[in-house]
Amino acid sequence: GAGVSQTPSNKVTEKGKYVELRCDPISGHTALYWYRQSLGQGPEFLIYFQGTGAADDSGLPNDRFFAVRPEGSVSTLKIQRTERGDSAVYLCASSPDPLREQYFGPGTRLTVT
Amino acid sequence: AQSVAQPEDQVNVAEGNPLTVKCTYSVSGNPYLFWYVQYPNRGLQFLLKYITGDNLVKGSYGFEAEFNKSQTSFHLKKPSALVSDSALYFCAVRDIGGNTDKLIFGTGTRLQVFP
Repeated sequence: GAGVSQTPSNKVTEKGKYVELRCDPISGHTALYWYRQSLGQGPEFLIYFQGTGAADDSGLPNDRFFAVRPEGSVSTLKIQRTERGDSAVYLCASSPDPLREQYFGPGTRLTVT
Repeated sequence: AQSVAQPEDQVNVAEGNPLTVKCTYSVSGNPYLFWYVQYPNRGLQFLLKYITGDNLVKGSYGFEAEFNKSQTSFHLKKPSALVSDSALYFCAVRDIGGNTDKLIFGTGTRLQVFP
């Protein structure tokens, strides 16, 4: 079956601009996660959705970052007033339940110039 | 707080030889441990997990991992390495409790298998 998909695969934007990153989870997976991976590092947790609600957003670095999942399926990560330090690969994952593995998408590489 | 450590930035091994990629953990409560592999320009792929039960866990592509509670380790192993195993490997612990459910990753170990 189809895996987790993310669009766009690459995004280049100028400092100060607004960007949206999209994640399509595996059908039927109620849990959805966003992570950020900087060069040479392991992925770092950003936010966890259970259904439509953000159950844990403690990993969002500041209030420029926001994520939604209005119908409990597709999720969008939104970054306002982008900064060069936001440049990273943003990974989305989904899971059918907490004790099962998380399935990751290919990521969106964000470059802020 | 939950955490994992991968003490080796890189592991080099000759094809056909056994390989070990090390991981140690620090958790409160029962550990839920995972290994993922990342190939260039691709997402993370699940290899195996330990939730409970047998200490030796078998996973994808011939990999296995040994859970050792006394040493708080979860090392990844393979009896005979392939050149195609060359990739970046991440150990992770799953932090579940209250409202949270997240993976906490190590810094990764690059495995290089030489022909």
